[in-house]
Amino acid sequence: NAGVTQTPKFQVLKTGQSMTLQCAQDMNHNSMYWYRQDPGMGLRLIYYSASEGTTDKGEVPNGYNVSRLNKREFSLRLESAAPSQTSVYFCASSEMGAGRSGRAYEQYFGPGTRLTVT
Amino acid sequence: AQKITQTQPGMFVQEKEAVTLDCTYDTSDPSYGLFWYKQPSSGEMIFLIYQGSYDQQNATEGRYSLNFQKARKSANLVISASQLGDSAMYFCAMRSNFGNEKLTFGTGTRLTIIP
Repeated sequence: NAGVTQTPKFQVLKTGQSMTLQCAQDMNHNSMYWYRQDPGMGLRLIYYSASEGTTDKGEVPNGYNVSRLNKREFSLRLESAAPSQTSVYFCASSEMGAGRSGRAYEQYFGPGTRLTVT
Repeated sequence: AQKITQTQPGMFVQEKEAVTLDCTYDTSDPSYGLFWYKQPSSGEMIFLIYQGSYDQQNATEGRYSLNFQKARKSANLVISASQLGDSAMYFCAMRSNFGNEKLTFGTGTRLTIIP
């Protein structure tokens, strides 16, 4: 049981290059999320997917696209990288239904991808 | 809109002492959950403790407890008998229990335990 996996762990891009960050979970969770973490700003939500086939914007979606390929996989794409997208990117997953169940349904995080755009 | 405020950017605590990390929140949702995560220098996010807005008792998990004061909208994390391994960033987060159930994070507190 690997939990949430992310690839790559590190990446350096030049301005204008594109790349896709991969994320997969093996916990059969419905919901998946992409965050970015910048110094002094905590984690900010980029996009999320409440279930297979659905995606929605979070707090900072500009410059990103996502694909929920199936229940397990949720990818984040940078079409034309900019230095402002230098950050650590985290993927997370969780079960849904916390409001009805009263349970924690905490989010499980991947190890992160450290991206530098020069 | 939801907001989490952590006013302590950094804290230094002597080993074996108790420490309280502050968290206040703002929401108009009637049902929500509050979380604390730990991020050690290795970078991973580790879930520590959860408090539901309708829970009658404060949550506890081993050395971690959550001092939940709903009227004051605060959800402080208390770590008892601190250890060197507790040195890390700590994030408070909130989730609405309606709609998309996404998390809103605070900016974090860097805790350093002094031997």
